Amino acid sequence: EPEVTQTPSHQVTQMGQEVILRCVPISNHLYFYWYRQILGQKVEFLVSFYNNEISEKSEIFDDQFSVERPDGSNFTLKIRSTKLEDSAMYFCASGGASANEKLFFGSGTQLSVL
Amino acid sequence: GNSVTQMEGPVTLSEEAFLTINCTYTATGYPSLFWYVQYPGEGLQLLLKATKADDKGSNKGFEATYRKETTSFHLEKGSVQVSDSAVYFCALSPNQAGTALIFGKGTTLSVSS
Repeated sequence: EPEVTQTPSHQVTQMGQEVILRCVPISNHLYFYWYRQILGQKVEFLVSFYNNEISEKSEIFDDQFSVERPDGSNFTLKIRSTKLEDSAMYFCASGGASANEKLFFGSGTQLSVL
Repeated sequence: GNSVTQMEGPVTLSEEAFLTINCTYTATGYPSLFWYVQYPGEGLQLLLKATKADDKGSNKGFEATYRKETTSFHLEKGSVQVSDSAVYFCALSPNQAGTALIFGKGTTLSVSS
């Protein structure tokens, strides 16, 4: 079965530093997503991306966050100046053109902000 | 608005016991409903789904029936195994292409032999 790949699996950073989380979605998918899960809490939607632009974003996705698909295969999430409360597991997902199509999730990047 | 509520965990069972994890939802329109599973150290995986009322999703011995009258999508399995130990997430999709899934908080299942 095809896979969504995320790197790194674990990232440790100092508060105020910039981090970039990387994802390689499934090649023929059209929609790309970032979610996060703070320990013990819900999986929260951050942003969706379609046709090279953001199609939907949550209140969490403020000016500190940005997404990019720089080369047609990678899909990145940048946090400009990390805060302690950004510590979470970040999941990338990709899906096809239909809302009922299966979303494929990566195995996540655990971000720890110290 | 749209939301998903799951029963609080953890759920601890012995092997071969019957499992129910409750999930109820609030949605406008006619959402699709999903159960995702997260095994230790892994990402979320789709377990099963149902796209309209009275549909039953099933996979790996797990079942869930989309009940519009009770706005529920409870997950059941007749005989759990140790390998079923994981976190289970109920989710809904408002059924617009590219619209994000809305997840419940997750229920941890631990099965002992």
